[in-house]
Amino acid sequence: ETGVTQSPTHLIKTRGQQVTLRCSSQSGHNTVSWYQQALGQGPQFIFQYYREEENGRGNFPPRFSGLQFPNYSSELNVNALELDDSALYLCASSLVAGGPWEQFFGPGTRLTVL
Amino acid sequence: AQTVTQSQPEMSVQEAETVTLSCTYDTSENNYYLFWYKQPPSRQMILVIRQEAYKQQNATENRFSVNFQKAAKSFSLKISDSQLGDTAMYFCAFILNNAGNMLTFGGGTRLMVKP
Repeated sequence: ETGVTQSPTHLIKTRGQQVTLRCSSQSGHNTVSWYQQALGQGPQFIFQYYREEENGRGNFPPRFSGLQFPNYSSELNVNALELDDSALYLCASSLVAGGPWEQFFGPGTRLTVL
Repeated sequence: AQTVTQSQPEMSVQEAETVTLSCTYDTSENNYYLFWYKQPPSRQMILVIRQEAYKQQNATENRFSVNFQKAAKSFSLKISDSQLGDTAMYFCAFILNNAGNMLTFGGGTRLMVKP
């Protein structure tokens, strides 16, 4: 069984650019969530996708957007990058959305915005 | 809004000893779940233990156990017989039963296990 994978591992962008991060869910998982983890802090929930639709969002502006594909893989897109967007971006998948269901995390993508 | 607070930024423990990590949370809801996640230096977050708020019995997973005090909104993690591989960041997290996968994390506690 393949776990959650993310690409790329590291990324450096400049302010104002756009970035796309990718995530492959664990086999059989139809729900994917994205989190932003700033250095030295706990992860913050960005949004969740279930069956290709966004169905939950944290306190992040619209320039953070996403997609989920029929194979349940996912993308996180960030437009008009700001310095504060520098963080580790974590993707997590679960078999079922909500409650006690375990979310399996990927290793993350480290984004640096200069 | 729900908040999770971990008041110990860093802790250390000798190998084979016991350590307790603290976590408090704030919510007006009654139906929720609590988790402890471990994030080793390799970065991949893994679930250590979970607790259903409606269960009075404290969860236990091998060397890991929790002390869940619902009235006090406290959820501490006890690690017994600490091992070098327990060195990691530990995050306490909270999720409402009707909030999809929206985990709310605390700021983390960095645990160092010393030989």
